[in-house]
This record gives sequence, C-alpha cells and structure tokens, in this order.
Amino acid sequence: AAGVIQSPRHLIKEKRETATLKCYPIPRHDTVYWYQQGPGQDPQFLISFYEKMQSDKGSIPDRFSAQQFSDYHSELNMSSLELGDSALYFCASSGDRLDGYTFGSGTRLTVV
Amino acid sequence: AQTVTQSQPEMSVQEAETVTLSCTYDTSESDYYLFWYKQPPSRQMILVIRQEAYKQQNATENRFSVNFQKAAKSFSLKISDSQLGDAAMYFCAYSIRSNFGNEKLTFGTGTRLTIIP
Repeated sequence: AAGVIQSPRHLIKEKRETATLKCYPIPRHDTVYWYQQGPGQDPQFLISFYEKMQSDKGSIPDRFSAQQFSDYHSELNMSSLELGDSALYFCASSGDRLDGYTFGSGTRLTVV
Repeated sequence: AQTVTQSQPEMSVQEAETVTLSCTYDTSESDYYLFWYKQPPSRQMILVIRQEAYKQQNATENRFSVNFQKAAKSFSLKISDSQLGDAAMYFCAYSIRSNFGNEKLTFGTGTRLTIIP
C-alpha cells in the first residue's frame, strides 16, 4: 500500500539559508499535517491543511510557511534558518477519522 | 490547555514478559480519539493501537492492548510477551476536532522502552 512520501530524507543547510521540504500524502487523504521533532523531544504540531486550505496552525515560526497544492502534495518552506531549526520534520496525512494518521519517514534537517 | 502526560520517561522489561506504559490526558472535549505510536531507532512513527473515546470496550491488537478509563482520563498500553523488536520510544496521543473541522493530534513526551534479552 502507498505510504506518505517525504523528500528529501536528509538535508544539510547553513544558517540563514532556505530549505523546502516536500510531502506526498496517501492518495484520497484530504488532510496533511506537519510536525517538528527536536532531539529527545515529542513531535510538535506546526500546521495542517484540509482540502488545500490551511486548517490549523501550531507553533510554527513566522519564518516558516507551507502550502498544499492541487495534487494534494504539501511543501514546508523554511527561511533564515537557525541552528535551533535542526530537527526531524514529519508529515502525516489522514482521511477517515478512525484511520488516524499515517506518518512519513521524516526529513532530518541539520543546520550548520 | 489540552495535555498528554506520560509519567514514565523510561521503562524496561524482560523479553517475553508483560509491561504497561501509563498515559493520562486532559481535555474538556467529549469526542476524541486516543492513540499509541511507536518510534523505533529508525525514527519512523508507527501506529500501534487506537481507541475511540465513545467506545467502552478496550482496543486490542495482537500482543498490544489498552486499558481505557474515560472518567479517570487514563489510557495505558499493555504489551504482552515482549519481543526485542518492541524496543522503541512510545508516544501516547489524542486527537480532537479543531475549530476548523479537521483533527489535531497532540503527543505526550514519550516513554523509552528497553527490552532485556
């Protein structure tokens, strides 16, 4: 069965650079979520999209933005990167409420 | 504020034994879902088991079962016949419908489970 696909798997950027993370949800899932997990931390909700519209916003810095496209894939754009942005970034998608969330393998971002 | 509390940062269990991971949550909502996720060293987030709050019957998935006490807002995970592959970080989470109509998943801080051969 198709899963949630995230790219790239690993990304190394320098401070003040920009990074773009991509997420391809499970087909027919209408909601996409982005989470940030720092070292030794639990995942923190950043933002979500339902039917290509932003549906909820968590602790997402103003330097970050995201969108969901017509094919339902989503991109998380991060600008003016800081060392503290180094983390594992998960994308998850959901369709039916009972199914819960299916997570991608994550993108490990390292800012140097 | 909606919160999820896992009071055991680390647990260990002998292989083939049973272990219970604790989780409590705080919400004013009556309609919500509860989940346990497993995160092995690969960092992949894997759904272990889920429970609908409106169901009194405890969910079971093979060796994994929950003890859901709605009044006490408690949702513990029992792993029977522990296996080496069960070693991972376990996150308790709940999902409520946000003001925008979709779900929002909130995680606890996790419990690191070690399996002793």
